[in-house]
Amino acid sequence: GAVVSQHPSRVICKSGTSVKIECRSLDFQATTMFWYRQFPKKSLMLMATSNEGSKATYEQGVEKDKFLINHASLTLSTLTVTSAHPEDSSFYICSARHDRNPYNEQFFGPGTRLTVL
Amino acid sequence: EDQVTQSPEALRLQEGESSSLNCSYTVSGLRGLFWYRQDPGKGPEFLFTLYSAGEEKEKERLKATLTKKESFLHITAPKPEDSATYLCAVATSGNQFYFGTGTSLTVIP
Repeated sequence: GAVVSQHPSRVICKSGTSVKIECRSLDFQATTMFWYRQFPKKSLMLMATSNEGSKATYEQGVEKDKFLINHASLTLSTLTVTSAHPEDSSFYICSARHDRNPYNEQFFGPGTRLTVL
Repeated sequence: EDQVTQSPEALRLQEGESSSLNCSYTVSGLRGLFWYRQDPGKGPEFLFTLYSAGEEKEKERLKATLTKKESFLHITAPKPEDSATYLCAVATSGNQFYFGTGTSLTVIP
């Protein structure tokens, strides 16, 4: 149990285009999901907390209009990188928290490697 | 201020050479401490949750322990396939989640 998928696993796009990344909890419901960004050989940096049915909560310094988050159902959250630029190239990882688990473990997806040319 | 610190930053072991990784934390109200393994280019893989001081969890060559100030991940007789970055994270009673910076483990055959 507690499997989280991400799609796509890898995407290359041109500067100025938008890219959508999907995060799904496959075998559990997750009211809360998280989006992280990871730079090479660095730890995970929390970008935002995604809440089903309400607006996402963004961490300080993360542009809401740049990184659009939609948590449309209890098993799906999407991150859209709008008007992507080369500096947005990174490894994006989502995680989901099991609704029935009171201890707040997060289960992570396999990540999405974004390269903006 | 809530803080999670891992040490060492990097660790090289010979195959079979046991050692421990440390995760020290200072948080207001521990709800759970988690260990993850991350391989290059992949998302973190969940290993253990520890809830209270004195608790221990084991999985194959790994054993995690918890005190009121820190957690240790003991690796017994490691193999090259244990090479990865090990991350610890803490959930607080205020619903915050903090990651340490990780320990990069390399096990040499």
